[in-house]
Amino acid sequence: GAVVSQHPSWVICKSGTSVKIECRSLDFQATTMFWYRQFPKQSLMLMATSNEGSKATYEQGVEKDKFLINHASLTLSTLTVTSAHPEDSSFYICSAVYGAYEQYFGPGTRLTVT
Amino acid sequence: KNEVEQSPQNLTAQEGEFITINCSYSVGISALHWLQQHPGGGIVSLFMLSSGKKKHGRLIATINIQEKHSSLHITASHPRDSAVYICAAGSLGEVSQGNLIFGKGTKLSVKP
Repeated sequence: GAVVSQHPSWVICKSGTSVKIECRSLDFQATTMFWYRQFPKQSLMLMATSNEGSKATYEQGVEKDKFLINHASLTLSTLTVTSAHPEDSSFYICSAVYGAYEQYFGPGTRLTVT
Repeated sequence: KNEVEQSPQNLTAQEGEFITINCSYSVGISALHWLQQHPGGGIVSLFMLSSGKKKHGRLIATINIQEKHSSLHITASHPRDSAVYICAAGSLGEVSQGNLIFGKGTKLSVKP
């Protein structure tokens, strides 16, 4: 089956630094990837849609300058949290679209900003 | 009212029991996903289905498009099945044009 990986699986960083999270589709090409975040005991919330070769589309309320998304190839999208603050601490999850209808999720990355 | 409703919210079962988690949705969908989220947070895609029934090991997922309802069944439950199970509805049209609507999850605890 289709596999999506994320790296790192968890990261701790200091306030003010930037952190990059990678999302890879391991055995298929994904023109579109989605980035979600999840706060404790809440459901996943879509942050942005990442399309290979074009700018990401951000959901309302998500700062594009803070959450930089780059979809450089058909198998890799990256999310960079710039100038991270403790309130950015969350669980970040990506998913990759296979074909027209199938969507597969990465295992997630837990970010803790101290 | 959430467009995707799951029930129950919490479920405690004894090892070996047959478990059913329900998901009702009010939107037109292209596909419905069942996800498993472990206590550490990691997410596993269990099923994606648009009709009928799918089976993988002890897990079975069914969907009734007319009734806008899906169920996830776990046979011979085991403590390692303890997790949060999330139902997510994919909107009509190509998934790349839209996102998923997530249920709030069902927290399952299986006691030995």
